[in-house]
Amino acid sequence: AQSVAQPEDQVNVAEGNPLTVKCTYSVSGNPYLFWYVQYPNRGLQFLLKYITGDNLVKGSYGFEAEFNKSQTSFHLKKPSALVSDSALYFCAVRVRSGNTGKLIFGQGTTLQVKP
Amino acid sequence: DGGITQSPKYLFRKEGQNVTLSCEQNLNHDAMYWYRQDPGQGLRLIYYSQIVNDFQKGDIAEGYSVSREKKESFPLTVTSAQKNPTAFYLCASSRTELNTDTQYFGPGTRLTVL
Repeated sequence: AQSVAQPEDQVNVAEGNPLTVKCTYSVSGNPYLFWYVQYPNRGLQFLLKYITGDNLVKGSYGFEAEFNKSQTSFHLKKPSALVSDSALYFCAVRVRSGNTGKLIFGQGTTLQVKP
Repeated sequence: DGGITQSPKYLFRKEGQNVTLSCEQNLNHDAMYWYRQDPGQGLRLIYYSQIVNDFQKGDIAEGYSVSREKKESFPLTVTSAQKNPTAFYLCASSRTELNTDTQYFGPGTRLTVL
């Protein structure tokens, strides 16, 4: 079965420190991977995606993610966390289902950045 | 959230009532989607549409219905047959249904059954 796992329900980091939010996936075929962020009672905002090419993908708000095919991972990273980065983060993989490309989401990781 | 609007932001429904959630996009996207979000879970696909006048069931379509009469609009009706409708509903769109295209999300509607 195709799936995405985010092994940590919550990640705590001090402001100014680097952060990592983990994601692993299991898909047949080429993985098309996405990261989204959600602030309370808001929709999801697109951060970045990996389709092909360079394994290090840069996205919005200083975030980046590293695609690792051998470890089937797509961890989200940021060199220096901000308090305003505190939010719920979703990793997703887009797969074929019927005649569309649907997103399969992980369960989400809450990032808490403390001053 | 830009380009996709959902209304209302909050919706309260009595048991046995049908309610309709609005989703409009001005991105000229062909594909539109409805997801449901429950606490502690990722999003789950309810319905999707690749083109006007066509739509398909997603993973949890029971108790829901949709229409796609215009490219810009993809309303979702939560019927009385949906056993546990209290949730946060998110509409999304993408340029096409291809895996490489990004899905962009609206701000969501929170539905509460009283």
